[in-house]
Amino acid sequence: NAGVTQTPKFQVLKTGQSMTLQCAQDMNHEYMSWYRQDPGMGLRLIHYSVGAGITDQGEVPNGYNVSRSTTEDFPLRLLSAAPSQTSVYFCASRMGIAGLTDTQYFGPGTRLTVL
Amino acid sequence: KQEVTQIPAALSVPEGENLVLNCSFTDSAIYNLQWFRQDPGKGLTSLLLIQSSQREQTSGRLNASLDKSSGRSTLYIAASQPGDSATYLCAVLRSNDYKLSFGAGTTVTVRA
Repeated sequence: NAGVTQTPKFQVLKTGQSMTLQCAQDMNHEYMSWYRQDPGMGLRLIHYSVGAGITDQGEVPNGYNVSRSTTEDFPLRLLSAAPSQTSVYFCASRMGIAGLTDTQYFGPGTRLTVL
Repeated sequence: KQEVTQIPAALSVPEGENLVLNCSFTDSAIYNLQWFRQDPGKGLTSLLLIQSSQREQTSGRLNASLDKSSGRSTLYIAASQPGDSATYLCAVLRSNDYKLSFGAGTTVTVRA
């Protein structure tokens, strides 16, 4: 049981480049989400999904795209990288959308630098 | 809008001292509150989850309390050890949209 996995661990991009951050979970969780973590700020929600084929925007969705074709995978796409997207990105999952006792599981993170 | 605050941002204590970490939130409409630990360069690991109907949860040396009406939670770590050095984050699950709101965290250093 690997939990939540993310690749790559580190990435450097030039302004305007695009890339996909991969996320997978093997716990059969319905709810998956992407956050970014910046110094001095709490984690901010980018996009989330309540099940295969269903995605929605979080607090800071601009410049990012997601899809959820399977329960296991939830990739995050940067359409045209900007220096403001330099951050650490975390993928997370939990069993359901409104589980009162559902713990949130996090991946190890992707540290992204945009030059 | 739900605002989650953790004060202080950093804390340094000698080994053996009890740790008291604070979390406050502005909207009491929550399903639960979770405390996480984050080691440098790593992801978040869940420590404790308190449902909105509960007053506290305990796991080993960790005890978390919740006072929903006053918008406060406290994480107690008894007899701190150098291995407890990490950043501790709290998050509330909002009951209106099922999303988590995070505090910025308290970075703890336990000196040997």
